[in-house]
Amino acid sequence: EAGVTQSPTHLIKTRGQQATLRCSPISGHTSVYWYQQALGLGLQFLLWYDEGEERNRGNFPPRFSGRQFPNYSSELNVNALELEDSALYLCASSSGQLNTEAFFGQGTRLTVV
Amino acid sequence: RKEVEQDPGPFNVPEGATVAFNCTYSNSASQSFFWYRQDCRKEPKLLMSVYSSGNEDGRFTAQLNRASQYISLLIRDSKLSDSATYLCVVTPGNQFYFGTGTSLTVIP
Repeated sequence: EAGVTQSPTHLIKTRGQQATLRCSPISGHTSVYWYQQALGLGLQFLLWYDEGEERNRGNFPPRFSGRQFPNYSSELNVNALELEDSALYLCASSSGQLNTEAFFGQGTRLTVV
Repeated sequence: RKEVEQDPGPFNVPEGATVAFNCTYSNSASQSFFWYRQDCRKEPKLLMSVYSSGNEDGRFTAQLNRASQYISLLIRDSKLSDSATYLCVVTPGNQFYFGTGTSLTVIP
């Protein structure tokens, strides 16, 4: 069974551009979570989608947005990129059931130059 | 107040040592608890779930104290391969809140 897949694995953008990151959850998982991890730092919660709806968002500016599609895959968009947006962006999925863990993709490493 | 507070360390211990990590959480409605392990520049992976009765997996023991709202991870007989960052996770209402992680380096 395929795990969580993210694309692209690496992305280089210039300041001011837009980046789109994609995530496919494990089959049967309806919840998708996005996290930002800057180098040497912890995971910062970005967004949570479940059943196509945004359930919660972290303390990030509105230029960070996303959506979840009917097949439960998800997209994270970052507009007007800034240098400090350079980080590893991790997507995780879960079934939403009690006591079940979240599984992570390998991440997209975004570099803004 | 943060949902999860975790001592970032770093912990540097010799091989064979016993090391313990603690995490406190703020939301008493949290129902599921986990410990994840993250290797350098890799994604986090589940190490073990944490149950009210406590649970053990080989050299690893996880415990939950609901009254004091903390979870712990004990690693016995540390191996070089245990060097990683350990993240505690709580899930009030199905959202996964991660601690900032505790860095462990096991020294030969």
